[in-house]
Order: sequence, then structure tokens, then C-alpha cells
Amino acid sequence: QLVLTQSPSASASLGASVKLTCTLTSGHSSYAIAWHQQQPEKGPRYLMRYNSDGSHTKGDGIPDRFSGSSSGAERYLIISTLQSEDEADYYCQTWGTGIQVFGGGTKVTVL
Amino acid sequence: EVQLVESGGGLIQPGGSLRLSCVASGFTVSNNYMSWVRQAPGKGLEWVSIIYSGGSTYYADSVKGRFTISRDNSKNTLYLQMNSLRVEDTAVYYCAKDVFAGSWGQGTLVTVSS
Repeated sequence: QLVLTQSPSASASLGASVKLTCTLTSGHSSYAIAWHQQQPEKGPRYLMRYNSDGSHTKGDGIPDRFSGSSSGAERYLIISTLQSEDEADYYCQTWGTGIQVFGGGTKVTVL
Repeated sequence: EVQLVESGGGLIQPGGSLRLSCVASGFTVSNNYMSWVRQAPGKGLEWVSIIYSGGSTYYADSVKGRFTISRDNSKNTLYLQMNSLRVEDTAVYYCAKDVFAGSWGQGTLVTVSS
């Protein structure tokens, strides 16, 4: 069963960095994922698609502060030089034939 | 520029039906994978349904047999027909482009309540 696991919350100080983790279930470690940001009271916004070979495609206008990486079944979203507007929920997403799956989301608080 | 605009949400009683629309501009719906994703109040994102460019359709178990995804190529519009609605279907419904949801609409709120 294809499942994505995210920690419920993360926090870091203004100007610092934060690393969010999204874990794929065993047997799916080669899957690509996408990251989406949802600011308070707004709809989701596509950040990037991250492939297991390290290649990625960012959405239009996404700052360089947002980057991705991976290790095995784990996919990471790194937000550098945190800004106040980065305080949001972040969701990872993956897909297979006939299915799409979202992680539970990570709420990022900027201290 | 890619734009997705949903409409059709509202207040409906349990057991009722609604049809959501998603008008696309800046690209051709029929050439892309298109999805519906929902978000219940205070909850995370939940995939609902997808239609492939070739026309194949798939559904989450929670809506299978009750919801139908379709598209009108002449109107460049995606639809979600929702029948036998339940209280737990209450959510903001978003349409999204591509299997990785590279573009999102602003959402339309569906409230199922008596």
C-alpha cells in the first residue's frame, strides 16, 4: 500500500533553515514526489516535483530558498533563510497507476 | 498562463447531488491528467479522483460508486458529479492539473448538512 508519512510539525527561527521529511512506504522508495505549500486560509501551491534520481522541477516563481533532496525512501524539503510567509502547511504527494496519495502534512512555525 | 476556476459548490442535504465544474485556461484539459482533491475543515489534503488524458478514470475508495469525473473538451472543462452525498463529504474541493498537481484552482466549498 502506497503511503506517505510526514511529521505533524516543525519550527525554526526567522532566517534559519528547516528540513521537512516525507517517508515512502517500503517497496516504493524509487517513487517521485511533489511538495505543496498551503498558507493559512489559502489553497495549495505547487512547490516542486522531486524524482528519485535527484532531478527536480520547481513551480513558477518558487524561490531558490526551497530545495529538495532524498535518501532511500525519504524525501526532504529544505527551506533556507526562513521568512515569515513560509509559515504554512507543507504536503508531500506521490502517485501510481490509478492512485494519488498525500502525506498528512507538516505545519511549519517560524519563531 | 495556466488558470483553473472551480464552481458549483454549496449547501446540500445528505443524499443529495451536486456537480462541480473546473474551467481551465492556458492549456488543453483533454491533453493532461486532471484530478480532484478535497480538504475537509481543519484536515489535510485527500485525493478524490483522476482522469487520464486517454480517458481512464480512477477514484478513491471513499467516493467510488458515488462520484463521477468527466470532461467536456469543447468547453475545456473538468467536472465532478457527486451523488448520494454524505456529511463526511463536506470539504473544499480543488481541481489540479497533472499527476503531480502542478497547478491548483482556488477551490469550491461543499457543505453537506441537514
